[in-house]
Amino acid sequence: DVKVTQSSRYLVKRTGEKVFLECVQDMDHENMFWYRQDPGLGLRLIYFSYDVKMKEKGDIPEGYSVSREKKERFSLILESASTNQTSMYLCASLRQANEKLFFGSGTQLSVL
Amino acid sequence: DQQVKQNSPSLSVQEGRISILNCDYTNSMFDYFLWYKKYPAEGPTFLISISSIKDKNEDGRFTVFLNKSAKHLSLHIVPSQPGDSAVYFCAASAKYNFNKFYFGSGTKLNVKP
Repeated sequence: DVKVTQSSRYLVKRTGEKVFLECVQDMDHENMFWYRQDPGLGLRLIYFSYDVKMKEKGDIPEGYSVSREKKERFSLILESASTNQTSMYLCASLRQANEKLFFGSGTQLSVL
Repeated sequence: DQQVKQNSPSLSVQEGRISILNCDYTNSMFDYFLWYKKYPAEGPTFLISISSIKDKNEDGRFTVFLNKSAKHLSLHIVPSQPGDSAVYFCAASAKYNFNKFYFGSGTKLNVKP
């Protein structure tokens, strides 16, 4: 089965820090995604990428950027972390239309 | 604009009984629907999916029903087990924009022993 690996399970950062969240998938999927999950709000899309160096904004891109230099790796960057970015961050990958998203185990980020 | 809605934030069921989780959507272009289960501090795991050309899909204890005219889908878990206690998300996508998945806000299922 597809493995999507997120580099950290838990992170604690200070307000104003630059934060990098890393995600790697091992199944050569074209499409990768970053979501955040907050209680009662479901999963909200931050950014996705459909190819190397290609990216598109999701529903809540403000305060975030992404990087996809290699097909298997998709990074989420918080340029200047703020307390309202405390959340569970989920990376996912997708092969093609009408197939399932594969999720990583998530990174619980706390910004103090 | 929430295109996929789960109107029940929580559901409590006795072990061995049926759990029915519901999901409504507004976009008639959606043609692929999925259910995910999520435990605290873990990523969502895929449960079952259904294409819009079907009205039912079954996998073991899990069955998903799709009513296109009502824009409604439901997940049935029979029999429910304590290990099924988790948050369940429904999701939908459309082939013309397959990279965009719309998720409901989740239903927290508690299966009591």
